[in-house]
Amino acid sequence: EAQVTQNPRYLITVTGKKLTVTCSQNMNHEYMSWYRQDPGLGLRQIYYSMNVEVTDKGDVPEGYKVSRKEKRNFPLILESPSPNQTSLYFCASSPGTRSYNEQFFGPGTRLTVL
Amino acid sequence: KQEVTQIPAALSVPEGENLVLNCSFTDSAIYNLQWFRQDPGKGLTSLLLIQSSQREQTSGRLNASLDKSSGRSTLYIAASQPGDSATYLCAVSNAGGTSYGKLTFGQGTILTVHP
Repeated sequence: EAQVTQNPRYLITVTGKKLTVTCSQNMNHEYMSWYRQDPGLGLRQIYYSMNVEVTDKGDVPEGYKVSRKEKRNFPLILESPSPNQTSLYFCASSPGTRSYNEQFFGPGTRLTVL
Repeated sequence: KQEVTQIPAALSVPEGENLVLNCSFTDSAIYNLQWFRQDPGKGLTSLLLIQSSQREQTSGRLNASLDKSSGRSTLYIAASQPGDSATYLCAVSNAGGTSYGKLTFGQGTILTVHP
């Protein structure tokens, strides 16, 4: 089944403890991105990647890192999580790098930073 | 800066009713508009994608229209069912700029269809 998977789905952690949220897609998509969803603010893009080893900042990149060493994986790294990073995170992928391509989203990761 | 607004914020209807969800955007220079469904505890499911050159798309009981020049889209749901209850999100992909592929989302419409 074609899909975008994320792990973990739920995570509770403490301030400053490094964590990684994994994202993987099995559709051979070139484009991948991360969003966070917050009440009243909607979904906002954190980082995106147009292909292997090509990443760039979205609207809210502060406090996050990403890497794209393989086409299928696009992990989101929080080096020193803070409570304001408590949010619902979504990974998305798209067949190409053109902005007219349809995007497919993962199931989400609910992160709580205490 | 693109802004997307969805009206109403919440909608409650009896089963079987036809309904319309509205989405408006401030910058008409878009590549496409995508409607998503979000269920509690689950991800975003793509419902319909309308390219900027298209006027409408249909999938089953869903029909989405796009009027790019006026910055508006509507999602029409025919013969609503309780299983349609979810949050519906509208998102646009902007032409130009450097953030390729970024979607700008509306706040969503929470739909409740009661039996």
